[in-house]
Amino acid sequence: AQTVTQSQPEMSVQEAETVTLSCTYDTSESDYYLFWYKQPPSRQMILVIRQEAYKQQNATENRFSVNFQKAAKSFSLKISDSQLGDAAMYFCAYRDGYGNKLVFGAGTILRVKS
Amino acid sequence: DTGVSQDPRHKITKRGQNVTFRCDPISEHNRLYWYRQTLGQGPEFLTYFQNEAQLEKSRLLSDRFSAERPKGSFSTLEIQRTEQGDSAMYLCASSRGGVLYEQYFGPGTRLTVT
Repeated sequence: AQTVTQSQPEMSVQEAETVTLSCTYDTSESDYYLFWYKQPPSRQMILVIRQEAYKQQNATENRFSVNFQKAAKSFSLKISDSQLGDAAMYFCAYRDGYGNKLVFGAGTILRVKS
Repeated sequence: DTGVSQDPRHKITKRGQNVTFRCDPISEHNRLYWYRQTLGQGPEFLTYFQNEAQLEKSRLLSDRFSAERPKGSFSTLEIQRTEQGDSAMYLCASSRGGVLYEQYFGPGTRLTVT
């Protein structure tokens, strides 16, 4: 079974600084997708960024980028120029190549200090 | 695109009672997913539908849980004889079919069993 591990229960960052959230996963599949989701307090989960395992190039979305290390099964999220609105719970998630269920990590709470 | 909606948003029930939750997916999405999220944890997959067919059920979905999607549109999740361990946030998500499409999450139904 696939597993996703987020080893940082909580992280803090100063506004305008950069922070990196860690994620490792375990799978025997070669075709899969990785995601970072953001869940603000009392609000619904939204997709931040996705990475296809077959792509070597790291995904980027504005201030959000990933460092995908397939051999190491590592998938970290970098948030640049952190903003107060980035404060949320961040979940790393895995989905196999069939496009069905998501497997989530336990999450990392990100606090942004002004 | 009105987003995924869930009803009710909050439910408090006494142990042993039955509860039913409803999810309305984004209209053109043929896949619908149910997840359960306990406090401080990531969501865990329960079940998913493609149109009206229930294609996968997690071992977490005990005999007391049943989900339906009768006409391939909205879905209901019923929990019979609720237990305190059922207290959680129940999340619904929907997507188009295929691996290229992301899952969009609803706001969730928070269940408290007293």
